[in-house]
Amino acid sequence: NAGVTQTPKFRVLKTGQSMTLLCAQDMNHEYMYWYRQDPGMGLRLIHYSVGEGTTAKGEVPDGYNVSRLKKQNFLLGLESAAPSQTSVYFCASSWSLMFANTGELFFGEGSRLTVL
Amino acid sequence: KNQVEQSPQSLIILEGKNCTLQCNYTVSPFSNLRWYKQDTGRGPVSLTIMTFSENTKSNGRYTATLDADTKQSSLHITASQLSDSASYICVVSGDSNYQLIWGAGTKLIIKP
Repeated sequence: NAGVTQTPKFRVLKTGQSMTLLCAQDMNHEYMYWYRQDPGMGLRLIHYSVGEGTTAKGEVPDGYNVSRLKKQNFLLGLESAAPSQTSVYFCASSWSLMFANTGELFFGEGSRLTVL
Repeated sequence: KNQVEQSPQSLIILEGKNCTLQCNYTVSPFSNLRWYKQDTGRGPVSLTIMTFSENTKSNGRYTATLDADTKQSSLHITASQLSDSASYICVVSGDSNYQLIWGAGTKLIIKP
């Protein structure tokens, strides 16, 4: 099992360009999440999904969109990239609600995005 | 405001020595507390999850303690190994809004 796979691992964008990060999990988890990690800060939740066809806003959703057309995939889109979106993005999945006592999160390896 | 603070920010110890990392939180209500290990350039990996009623939980050489009254947790690493070099992140869960409060982490470096 690959677990949680993110593509691409690295990307450099110019301000105003768009791109999509792909997350795929093979654990049949219902719940999937997108986080960003910035130096000196804790992970921050961007968007999450509680099942196929559903999405919801997290702590820092502005400038991002997501889609979950298939249970195993969760896409994160940047429509018009800004330098403030330079970050490392992590996808995670869990089989129960993440704040639950059994809500262990399984993370991908991360996608490092630089916006010039 | 819900917050998780970790100390120290960074720590260097010699291989074979023990160390303890601290986590203080102000999250309320409290559901559970987790410790994650994050190797450089990798995603976080879960070490332990503790609920309100658990005081201690071990995972190999890692032992986490929780004092829900004082809202403090610690992660003790015994007989450190070079592979323990990583960031250790404390995460606290409330019971609403699908929210986990993440600490900024402690960067641990093990020197031979």
